Amino acid sequence: GENVEQHPSTLSVQEGDSAVIKCTYSDSASNYFPWYKQELGKRPQLIIDIRSNVGEKKDQRIAVTLNKTAKHFSLHITETQPEDSAVYFCAATYQGGKLIFGQGTELSVKP
Amino acid sequence: GAVVSQHPSWVICKSGTSVKIECRSLDFQATTMFWYRQFPKQSLMLMATSNEGSKATYEQGVEKDKFLINHASLTLSTLTVTSAHPEDSSFYICSAEASKDEQYFGPGTRLTVT
Repeated sequence: GENVEQHPSTLSVQEGDSAVIKCTYSDSASNYFPWYKQELGKRPQLIIDIRSNVGEKKDQRIAVTLNKTAKHFSLHITETQPEDSAVYFCAATYQGGKLIFGQGTELSVKP
Repeated sequence: GAVVSQHPSWVICKSGTSVKIECRSLDFQATTMFWYRQFPKQSLMLMATSNEGSKATYEQGVEKDKFLINHASLTLSTLTVTSAHPEDSSFYICSAEASKDEQYFGPGTRLTVT
């Protein structure tokens, strides 16, 4: 079925540490994997994305890796800051271009 | 960048009434729009895919007669929650596809049914 599993559900780190969130998807035909940051009561904001023809992508403190064989992709945030605290969602595209979201990870960065 | 608006941003209605939510792409045309529902502390659940000029495609378990979707133009899709009940209270978010795979989200509509 159309499924995206995301772990962990909560993550607490000290400011300056790294945070890693992992996702797996079920359909080998999926070819686009965005990551969103959502603050309470607001819309999801795209922070980084990766396509299936690329293994890694980096944008300043944020990086995403993709392992197509294992159907895994991960978000890495380095040098975390308190303003990084939010809920993060991974997603994968399925048939028809629809996005299926992971369950979300509540990241808390303690100063 | 691509901007998507939703109206209203919040609405309170009585049980049994219907509520219409609008989703507009302001600076681009969107053949395809998506409607999501998000309950507190949960993920975004795709309800349906809205295609301009054709019938919407609903996800399994979503009642098409209860959640009416109309995509009459390339910049507007509407979701009508018919005969709303308290369990329909949720955060409804739309997105519009600006190009392949690139979806831009609206700000969401908080629906409370009393």
